[in-house]
Amino acid sequence: DTGVSQNPRHKITKRGQNVTFRCDPISEHNRLYWYRQTLGQGPEFLTYFQNEAQLEKSRLLSDRFSAERPKGSFSTLEIQRTEQGDSAMYLCANTDRATDTQYFGPGTRLTVL
Amino acid sequence: RKEVEQDPGPFNVPEGATVAFNCTYSNSASQSFFWYRQDCRKEPKLLMSVYSSGNEDGRFTAQLNRASQYISLLIRDSKLSDSATYLCVGYNNAGNMLTFGGGTRLMVKP
Repeated sequence: DTGVSQNPRHKITKRGQNVTFRCDPISEHNRLYWYRQTLGQGPEFLTYFQNEAQLEKSRLLSDRFSAERPKGSFSTLEIQRTEQGDSAMYLCANTDRATDTQYFGPGTRLTVL
Repeated sequence: RKEVEQDPGPFNVPEGATVAFNCTYSNSASQSFFWYRQDCRKEPKLLMSVYSSGNEDGRFTAQLNRASQYISLLIRDSKLSDSATYLCVGYNNAGNMLTFGGGTRLMVKP
């Protein structure tokens, strides 16, 4: 157990609906990352926060995706008007300040019908 | 071309065998490298960091060759529990992000 928790663990939704995922990181780690992983592929970077500031966004993060980290603690990732291609595992990771090691949460598996 | 490339496998080996995975990277700005292990439907977990001088952790040995932009992982005396997907990962300090390879699947059979 890395101490990073994600909710929900599974989400099934219909195309066109909005979904929101939450990540609760290890409290003393200031950098928080979101990744997406599809079957048979490695995780792909989506965005990252240093404290509450969103410092980097991938081109994979279309206008339908938005992420927030109010107060530099937990983070949310929202997908609006979901499409079948959004079906994936969404992983949150925290970074250990001393070693730059990233610790992943268990992920939220999204299925868009 | 992907920034980090790996042979997807699967590598099917008997228990006790020695198996080696290779990985190449194209972004010379990548400054640190790691091997992560991922079990089916679970999150990736750090296996070990990779240093130019080579590093060993029990049955696992990792090596980085910056000149050839090549990273390796050697597993000796493989166990059934080593069955997993092994992800080669580059870290760019400037961009503060990890770039993952597609993973190499290992199946250790009795």
